[in-house]
Amino acid sequence: TQLLEQSPQFLSIQEGENLTVYCNSSSVFSSLQWYRQEPGEGPVLLVTVVTGGEVKKLKRLTFQFGDARKDSSLHITAAQPGDTGLYLCAGAGSGGGADGLTFGKGTHLIIQP
Amino acid sequence: KAGVTQTPRYLIKTRGQQVTLSCSPISGHRSVSWYQQTPGQGLQFLFEYFSETQRNKGNFPGRFSGRQFSNSRSEMNVSTLELGDSALYLCASSLAGGPNQPQHFGDGTRLSIL
Repeated sequence: TQLLEQSPQFLSIQEGENLTVYCNSSSVFSSLQWYRQEPGEGPVLLVTVVTGGEVKKLKRLTFQFGDARKDSSLHITAAQPGDTGLYLCAGAGSGGGADGLTFGKGTHLIIQP
Repeated sequence: KAGVTQTPRYLIKTRGQQVTLSCSPISGHRSVSWYQQTPGQGLQFLFEYFSETQRNKGNFPGRFSGRQFSNSRSEMNVSTLELGDSALYLCASSLAGGPNQPQHFGDGTRLSIL
């Protein structure tokens, strides 16, 4: 069974601060996706990373896939209240994905004005 | 372009009953996956259907079943409901299926078991 550990579980910071969320596993993934989920809604895909060492930027969000494709991080610069939400990482198994996507339990992020 | 539609949004059942949830994927998407989301376990994969065939299955008991119709709409059924089945059930559609594909999620059905 592949597991994804996300940290921190909860994070509350002031508007304008920077933060990093981590997603770690002992397993190798063929790709890793990051989602954001707001209350009462389904997760919305932010980015997919595929290549080890890959870095992708989405405005103030920077996503990195580890060289060994076992871990990933999400860095937010100058956080805004609109960034508040549950951030989920999800990995696709290197064995062909027979178990579908494996999700971490998420990081609950609150950005206070 | 309409997104993924799940019905109903909320459902209350009692133990022992059964329930059917519905999911209409984005037009043109042939794959539908189902997930269970709880505060303790997070999102867990139930199964994936592609072209009316179950292609992948997660580690859930046989009380959880599903099907997909020729128009790609999917239903999920849970029989003999237990208190622990209380959860948000999410479906996601993708063009070609498989976990490497971007998943487009609906807003879920909130199932409460009394």
